[in-house]
Amino acid sequence: EDQVTQSPEALRLQEGESSSLNCSYTVSGLRGLFWYRQDPGKGPEFLFTLYSAGEEKEKERLKATLTKKESFLHITAPKPEDSATYLCAVQTNSGYSTLTFGKGTMLLVSP
Amino acid sequence: NAGVTQTPKFRVLKTGQSMTLLCAQDMNHEYMYWYRQDPGMGLRLIHYSVGEGTTAKGEVPDGYNVSRLKKQNFLLGLESAAPSQTSVYFCASSYAYLGTVPSYEQYFGPGTRLTVT
Repeated sequence: EDQVTQSPEALRLQEGESSSLNCSYTVSGLRGLFWYRQDPGKGPEFLFTLYSAGEEKEKERLKATLTKKESFLHITAPKPEDSATYLCAVQTNSGYSTLTFGKGTMLLVSP
Repeated sequence: NAGVTQTPKFRVLKTGQSMTLLCAQDMNHEYMYWYRQDPGMGLRLIHYSVGEGTTAKGEVPDGYNVSRLKKQNFLLGLESAAPSQTSVYFCASSYAYLGTVPSYEQYFGPGTRLTVT
């Protein structure tokens, strides 16, 4: 059974304090790993797709990386507007029409 | 482009009542999905469709039915609502070609908050 585990469940940072969120996965064959941002009361918003170990993607203060067992979402010098829940999801070679989501990391950045 | 839209945004039902949630997308996506999101449970897939006229069960399909009569629309029905179906429901769509490369990222609607009393 495909499993996606995100840690920590919640993270509180001061503005400017860089950190990383973790997404570890156990799947039969990874086709793609997706990161989303979800603000309270809204639907998840797509951020990145990573396909192979060693791949990196960046967007403003966010950088996503991928290894054979996990992905990291690095947040550099975060601002309060980065506060949100970050979700990761995996797509496998055997079930590429669906994604398996982790439960998310709730990030709060204080000014 | 409106992206993915959901109707209604909020709904309160009494146990045993029925209702239909409507999802529409204007991105010409082949795949569409219905999820529910509950505190501590994350996003769970209810049903999905890989094309017009086709549907498949997800992780938590019991108590729900779906139909995809048109490519752009995906309906979620509750025939006899139960308090356990109180949740936030999200529709999503995916799969299109970016040039010659298939893209599978899912795009989500704003959600429907359903309360069953």
